Amino acid sequence: TQLLEQSPQFLSIQEGENLTVYCNSSSVFSSLQWYRQEPGEGPVLLVTVVTGGEVKKLKRLTFQFGDARKDSSLHITAAQPGDTGLYLCAPRKEYGNKLVFGAGTILRVKS
Amino acid sequence: ETGVTQTPRHLVMGMTNKKSLKCEQHLGHNAMYWYKQSAKKPLELMFVYSLEERVENNSVPSRFSPECPNSSHLFLHLHTLQPEDSALYLCASSLGTAVDTGYTFGSGTRLTVV
Repeated sequence: TQLLEQSPQFLSIQEGENLTVYCNSSSVFSSLQWYRQEPGEGPVLLVTVVTGGEVKKLKRLTFQFGDARKDSSLHITAAQPGDTGLYLCAPRKEYGNKLVFGAGTILRVKS
Repeated sequence: ETGVTQTPRHLVMGMTNKKSLKCEQHLGHNAMYWYKQSAKKPLELMFVYSLEERVENNSVPSRFSPECPNSSHLFLHLHTLQPEDSALYLCASSLGTAVDTGYTFGSGTRLTVV
């Protein structure tokens, strides 16, 4: 069983601050996805990264896939209350369509 | 609305009851999944259906019984559950098996077993 760690587990910040959350593993993945889940809803796909070292931007969110494809980070610039939610990283094994989800980072942005 | 609809949104059942959770998608996806989400634990994959055939069962107790009558519908039949089965049950669907395929999740069914 691969070990997948997301950090921090919980983050509470003020509106306008920057933050970074991490997803780490000792395993190599073919791709990795980030999802955001709001209370009372299911996770929603934010981005997929496939290539080692890849950087993708989605408005104020910047996603990076590690060079060795074992880890990823999500950086949010000037956080807004609407960014509040559970951020899940979901790497995919080399073969098949099975996603493995981390425990997530709970982000709370206070106005 | 994500395109994956789960009903009911909330369910309270006794340990001797029998109930079913329903998931429906009209996105043209050919794979469907059941996940269990408990507090402070990662999403746990329960079952995977690809082209209406069950391709994975992650050691789920027999009191959970999935059914996929067609590519658009997925059920989870519940019987003689335990209080520790209380959780958010999420259905998801996807198209194909490419490495960049994303999952579309429903809003979940919040299940409470009393």
